[in-house]
Amino acid sequence: KAGVTQTPRYLIKTRGQQVTLSCSPISGHRSVSWYQQTPGQGLQFLFEYFSETQRNKGNFPGRFSGRQFSNSRSEMNVSTLELGDSALYLCASSYGGASGNEQFFGPGTRLTVL
Amino acid sequence: AQKVTQAQTEISVVEKEDVTLDCVYETRDTTYYLFWYKQPPSGELVFLIRRNSFDEQNEISGRYSWNFQKSTSSFNFTITASQVVDSAVYFCALGFTGGGNKLTFGTGTQLKVEL
Repeated sequence: KAGVTQTPRYLIKTRGQQVTLSCSPISGHRSVSWYQQTPGQGLQFLFEYFSETQRNKGNFPGRFSGRQFSNSRSEMNVSTLELGDSALYLCASSYGGASGNEQFFGPGTRLTVL
Repeated sequence: AQKVTQAQTEISVVEKEDVTLDCVYETRDTTYYLFWYKQPPSGELVFLIRRNSFDEQNEISGRYSWNFQKSTSSFNFTITASQVVDSAVYFCALGFTGGGNKLTFGTGTQLKVEL
């Protein structure tokens, strides 16, 4: 079974641009969560999608948005990029929507904002 | 509010030593879930274990063992006879009923195992 895949693996953008990251969950998984990892703030929850609906949202500005498609693939978008958005963005998939499920993480997308 | 504290930022051991990684959590929820993940240099988080709040049994899996104590809000992780391949950052995380799959992570402990 293929694991969670994220594309692209690396991105370099400049301030003010926008970016879209993609995550394909494990086949059959319906929940996708996104996390931002930075040296200063650690791993922080961005949002979770389950069956195409956003279920939970972390404390991030509205510039961070996401969506989930009917095949469970998810995208997150960051508009008006700031230097502080440079981070490793990790996506995790889980089979069900109940709390406490085992989550499988992808390799991440490393975003650098110049 | 959920909080996870991993006070040990970095631990260095010599191969074959035993090492314990500490995790202390805070939550007001009566039902919650605790996790440990390993992040090798490649960056991908690898699931190690999940524990429900109502199951305080300790668990052993090969060289890994976990000690869950609700009385002290701790969920510590011990690696017995450490190996160089155990070198990674280890994260403890907390989820709660009603929170979906949202996890609150600790800041991680960098474990370095040297020959």
